Amino acid sequence: AQKVTQAQTEISVVEKEDVTLDCVYETRDTTYYLFWYKQPPSGELVFLIRRNSFDEQNEISGRYSWNFQKSTSSFNFTITASQVVDSAVYFCALIPCGGSNYKLTFGKGTLLTVNP
Amino acid sequence: DTGVSQNPRHKITKRGQNVTFRCDPISEHNRLYWYRQTLGQGPEFLTYFQNEAQLEKSRLLSDRFSAERPKGSFSTLEIQRTEQGDSAMYLCASSPDNCGQPQHFGDGTRLSIL
Repeated sequence: AQKVTQAQTEISVVEKEDVTLDCVYETRDTTYYLFWYKQPPSGELVFLIRRNSFDEQNEISGRYSWNFQKSTSSFNFTITASQVVDSAVYFCALIPCGGSNYKLTFGKGTLLTVNP
Repeated sequence: DTGVSQNPRHKITKRGQNVTFRCDPISEHNRLYWYRQTLGQGPEFLTYFQNEAQLEKSRLLSDRFSAERPKGSFSTLEIQRTEQGDSAMYLCASSPDNCGQPQHFGDGTRLSIL
């Protein structure tokens, strides 16, 4: 069974601050993918980034960056110079590439509020 | 690529009534998924189709729930004899076949049971 834990329930920052969202996961599969999704108040889940279990290279894409550490089973997500439009619920999710390679397991989400 | 489309966006019904939701996936995606999301929680997997075949159903999907994907295109999710506990957001997603391909979600259908 897979498990994703997002310990931060809510985070509030002021515009232009950097913010890091934490994610810890559990899986017995050796091959898996990790994702971050954004859910604005409108409700649609928007795919942001993904990382496979074999690639621990951290990347930056625009204002987004992510830190994948297999040794600690963590996949943290950072927004640099936050903006009001970043306000949303952010979900970390995992999918194994073994038997259940169709089912996304989500964390409970972190509500990010960016204040002007 | 017009994205995943779901309708209706909102459904309000009385307890005991039947409801049906529709999902139109991204046209070239073979896989289609249904999830349920309640307030303050992440989405939970309900069921999954590979083309027209329903390959997996969660134990969350009681016998009052049925899903179909005729001809491997759009899908419907029906709930019979609705109960208060069925109130939730029902999300549909689609993806290509390969593991790790991101699932793309629709706007969801919010069901409220009176």
